[in-house]
Amino acid sequence: EAGVVQSPRYKIIEKKQPVAFWCNPISGHNTLYWYRQNLGQGPELLIRYENEEAVDDSQLPKDRFSAERLKGVDSTLKIQPAELGDSAVYLCASSIRGRENTEAFFGQGTRLTVV
Amino acid sequence: GQNIDQPTEMTATEGAIVQINCTYQTSGFNGLFWYQQHAGEAPTFLSYNVLDGLEEKGRFSSFLSRSKGYSYLLLKELQMKDSASYLCAVREGRLLDTGRRALTFGSGTRLQVQP
Repeated sequence: EAGVVQSPRYKIIEKKQPVAFWCNPISGHNTLYWYRQNLGQGPELLIRYENEEAVDDSQLPKDRFSAERLKGVDSTLKIQPAELGDSAVYLCASSIRGRENTEAFFGQGTRLTVV
Repeated sequence: GQNIDQPTEMTATEGAIVQINCTYQTSGFNGLFWYQQHAGEAPTFLSYNVLDGLEEKGRFSSFLSRSKGYSYLLLKELQMKDSASYLCAVREGRLLDTGRRALTFGSGTRLQVQP
């Protein structure tokens, strides 16, 4: 079974430029998460989707970040414009809603460097 | 909100036993997870506790005391490949509520296993 797939794996951009990340969750997983992980820190939630609905985006910096999950499967996370402080690993995860002990499965992440 | 504390770094010897502690303060509790994360890789699920007590899975065990807001991860017969960061994560919400929320992670404990 394929895991959570993210692309690109690495991205280097100049500040003020836009950038987008893509995530394909595990088939059948209706819950999708975007996390940001800074060096030496744990992942921090940016947004959570249940199917195509964003049910928790309270920590998403909406002035520059946006996300979508059309058709409740793949998702994209966009930053426009990027700032130096956005340099981090962006992790996508998915899980099955309704199973209380089910864990979230993480993708390999996209390492973003803003210069 | 949540506050999750765990030691930043630990060192142990190959073949030994190590215990990684995690304390948390949450407005609700609906499960505690431990993840392992090797450098540059995705977090992978290790264990889940929702009721008090010890959960054992091979060389890894996890303990939970909800009244104390405390958990630990026990690693036995340490191997060099166990060198990684160990992330404690808590899910808020009502106990066993299937309307689950995303996980909130601690900063992780970097474990170095020495020969």
